[in-house]
Amino acid sequence: DTGVSQNPRHKITKRGQNVTFRCDPISEHNRLYWYRQTLGQGPEFLTYFQNEAQLEKSRLLSDRFSAERPKGSFSTLEIQRTEQGDSAMYLCASSLGDRKTGELFFGEGSRLTVL
Amino acid sequence: AQSVTQPDIHITVSEGASLELRCNYSYGATPYLFWYVQSPGQGLQLLLKYFSGDTLVQGIKGFEAEFKRSQSSFNLRKPSVHWSDAAEYFCAVDLNTGGFKTIFGAGTRLFVKA
Repeated sequence: DTGVSQNPRHKITKRGQNVTFRCDPISEHNRLYWYRQTLGQGPEFLTYFQNEAQLEKSRLLSDRFSAERPKGSFSTLEIQRTEQGDSAMYLCASSLGDRKTGELFFGEGSRLTVL
Repeated sequence: AQSVTQPDIHITVSEGASLELRCNYSYGATPYLFWYVQSPGQGLQLLLKYFSGDTLVQGIKGFEAEFKRSQSSFNLRKPSVHWSDAAEYFCAVDLNTGGFKTIFGAGTRLFVKA
């Protein structure tokens, strides 16, 4: 079990550029989640996948954000035309989707800084 | 609206002293409840969870939490804090909507002094 892996760990970009983050979940987990965490706040739910299907998206996920999980394994989160307000830690988590456990396994996050 | 409140932004305790971190939730039904810990540079790790049954739940690292329905609370406790417990602690609820959406509180940062 290698855990949830996220890349890159840090990204500094200029306003207006596009960025993409990748998440590799624990291999047998069928659910994958994206959260955003800003300084002094808890993680905020962005979206989640069951296998390759994106089942729910938060209102926080503007049109500039898109997430995919093409084969039900890894996922990407793309932010187009970045804004300074997008600066945050983007967290990926995965789970078995077993209602009895409910535990999320988190990666270490990808920190985005928009200049 | 559903919410999770952690009233203490930060808490400082002496090593060896007891600890209680507060958490209140606002939700129509009893949600699934969790406590996660986040150490610097690391991902969030589950400490314990409550789904149903015994309202006092035991977790890892010597932590426990008690669910009190009448107070809509799920406070985290530890009888004797170690320096390695310094971290940020998040209370979370799964709204049990079928969408498996977990909502987090703003967190409480724990400082441990020698």
